[in-house]
Amino acid sequence: GAVVSQHPSWVICKSGTSVKIECRSLDFQATTMFWYRQFPKQSLMLMATSNEGSKATYEQGVEKDKFLINHASLTLSTLTVTSAHPEDSSFYICSASPGPWTQYFGPGTRLLVL
Amino acid sequence: EDQVTQSPEALRLQEGESSSLNCSYTVSGLRGLFWYRQDPGKGPEFLFTLYSAGEEKEKERLKATLTKKESFLHITAPKPEDSATYLCAVQYKTSGSRLTFGEGTQLTVNP
Repeated sequence: GAVVSQHPSWVICKSGTSVKIECRSLDFQATTMFWYRQFPKQSLMLMATSNEGSKATYEQGVEKDKFLINHASLTLSTLTVTSAHPEDSSFYICSASPGPWTQYFGPGTRLLVL
Repeated sequence: EDQVTQSPEALRLQEGESSSLNCSYTVSGLRGLFWYRQDPGKGPEFLFTLYSAGEEKEKERLKATLTKKESFLHITAPKPEDSATYLCAVQYKTSGSRLTFGEGTQLTVNP
């Protein structure tokens, strides 16, 4: 139980294009989903928290117009990186929470912007 | 500011050589402390949640303990497949479901 999937697992795109990453909770309903970014040899950095049906809450320093988050249902959240640039290349990981406690993480999406 | 500090940054063990990883946190307002395992290129895998001082949880060769200011992840007779980065994360009562992660301990177990 408590499986979270992400799609795609990796993506390469040209600078200036937009990329959408999906996060799904497969066997539970997630009232809250989280998006993290991880650079090599570093820990996870929380980007934003999203609750189903409401606007996402972004962490300080994260551009909400660049990283669009939609949490349309209790099992799906999407992160769209708009007008991607090479500095946006990173490992993006989502997590889903069935309640106020444990977060279950997806396998991550590696983004490379050329 | 909420802080979570893990030590050591890296640890090399021989197969069968038991050891412990440490996670210390800002003292007040803890709701829960979480341990995750992360393999290279993958998302964190949930291991344990601890809620109160004195609590212990075990899973195979791993045992997590919690005191009022730190947690230990004990690894007994590790095997090479235990090699991974172990992440500690803290959830505070004032921060909803938000997790504050430590920098992790990279564990390598040599055969």
